[in-house]
Amino acid sequence: DAGVIQSPRHEVTEMGQEVTLRCKPISGHNSLFWYRQTMMRGLELLIYFNNNVPIDDSGMPEDRFSAKMPNASFSTLKIQPSEPRDSAVYFCASSPTGGNSPLHFGNGTRLTVT
Amino acid sequence: TQLLEQSPQFLSIQEGENLTVYCNSSSVFSSLQWYRQEPGEGPVLLVTVVTGGEVKKLKRLTFQFGDARKDSSLHITAAQPGDTGLYLCAGGYSGNTPLVFGKGTRLSVIA
Repeated sequence: DAGVIQSPRHEVTEMGQEVTLRCKPISGHNSLFWYRQTMMRGLELLIYFNNNVPIDDSGMPEDRFSAKMPNASFSTLKIQPSEPRDSAVYFCASSPTGGNSPLHFGNGTRLTVT
Repeated sequence: TQLLEQSPQFLSIQEGENLTVYCNSSSVFSSLQWYRQEPGEGPVLLVTVVTGGEVKKLKRLTFQFGDARKDSSLHITAAQPGDTGLYLCAGGYSGNTPLVFGKGTRLSVIA
C-alpha cells in the first residue's frame, strides 16, 4: 500500500502564476478530500469528491480555486491566479467510504506564493 | 467559530511526565477520531471512539469519549520524545457529512 501520493512536495511561485497540485488516492478508496492547513486556521476542508463527483465545494475560498477528479486514481487542485495569502500546506486525503470513515492523508504540498 | 475546541494549544513537558489534552464541542458527534501529525507529514489516525463513555488504550495513550458524545480527552502516560507532534481531534456525523477538525494541540516532549 503506497498510501496517498501528492506532488509536488514543495512549490514556490510568484503572485499571479497558476499552480497545480496533484493527488493519487489509495486504490479502492471512493472518497477524496482536499484540505488546506495554516497555523492560524488549522485544517480547512476545501472540497471533497465521492466516486469522482464533487459533493461539497463550499470550502473553496473563491473562484481562483478549482478541483477536478477525472478518474478514481487522480485529482488536481488548481489556483489561478495565485496570491501570497494562498501560502499554506495543502493536503489530499482519501477514505474507503467517505462520511466519517477514517482519513488517509498524503504528506502534503507546501505552497509559497511570493 | 471553531466547532471543535482543543486545549491547550501548546504544551511543552519533560520526558516521563503525564499529560492530558482536551477536545470539546457543543455538538453531538456519532464518532470522534484522534490523529497525530509529525512535521512534514500528514495526520495519521490513532483511534476512533464511537460510544459515549468509551475508553480506548493504545500503549501509553488513553482516549475517552464523553458520555454525551460532545467531548473527548487524550491522556499520555510517561511521555517520550517520540510523542512530540500535533494532536488533532475530528468529529464525525452520520451519513456523508465530512469530519470536522479541531486546530490541534502541539505537544513537545523534551528529553
